[in-house]
Amino acid sequence: ILNVEQSPQSLHVQEGDSTNFTCSFPSSNFYALHWYRWETAKSPEALFVMTLNGDEKKKGRISATLNTKEGYSYLYIKGSQPEDSATYLCAFSLSSNTGKLIFGQGTTLQVKP
Amino acid sequence: EAQVTQNPRYLITVTGKKLTVTCSQNMNHEYMSWYRQDPGLGLRQIYYSMNVEVTDKGDVPEGYKVSRKEKRNFPLILESPSPNQTSLYFCASSPTPNEKLFFGSGTQLSVL
Repeated sequence: ILNVEQSPQSLHVQEGDSTNFTCSFPSSNFYALHWYRWETAKSPEALFVMTLNGDEKKKGRISATLNTKEGYSYLYIKGSQPEDSATYLCAFSLSSNTGKLIFGQGTTLQVKP
Repeated sequence: EAQVTQNPRYLITVTGKKLTVTCSQNMNHEYMSWYRQDPGLGLRQIYYSMNVEVTDKGDVPEGYKVSRKEKRNFPLILESPSPNQTSLYFCASSPTPNEKLFFGSGTQLSVL
C-alpha cells in the first residue's frame, strides 16, 4: 500500500515566524510531487509540482524542495502571516502513464497575529 | 474565466436514490479526477480519466461510477448511495496528471 505522510499534523505559530513541514513518500516509482494550499471553505489551490531530484520552487514567501532518492519534500514559509493559515497538502504521482494521485493528510497551519 | 464547475454545492439525499454530481471544465484539459475528503483521511482519489472514453479506478472506487463522453465533462454517479458515502467531494482537472490540478468548488453530500 502506497502511503504519503505529512508532518506535523498541525502547527501554531506567531506572525513573523518562519516554518516548515515535511511530506514523505515512497522513493521508488516516483514521478511527481504536488503541493496544494487549502483554505477553510474554499477549494485546494496549487502551489508547486516538482519532478526532478533536487528541484526547488518558490512562490513569494513559500518555497519547496524535493529529494526523490530519500522520498521527502519540505515546504517552507518565511515570515508567516495570518493569511497563510490553511491546510497544506502534498500529493505523490506514481508514473507518467497513470493518473493515480495519492494525497497526504495535510498539515494545518494556524498563524496568530 | 478558466474554471472547473461542480454542481450541486450541497445535496441531501436518502439511501438508494441514484444521484449524479456534475463536473465541467473549460480549459480543454485531458486529465480529470474525483476525490472525497473525510475528516482525518485527507483527499482520496475515487476515479480519474486520462482522456475521452478513458477512465480508471483510484483508491476508493466502490459504489461510484464515472463517464467521460466529452472532454469537458466528467460526472460522478452514485447508483445506490449509502450513508458511508456522506462526504465532501471535489472534481479536478489539469492538462496532464503531472501538472497543477484545478479544483471545483466542492459538493457536500449527505446520505440519510
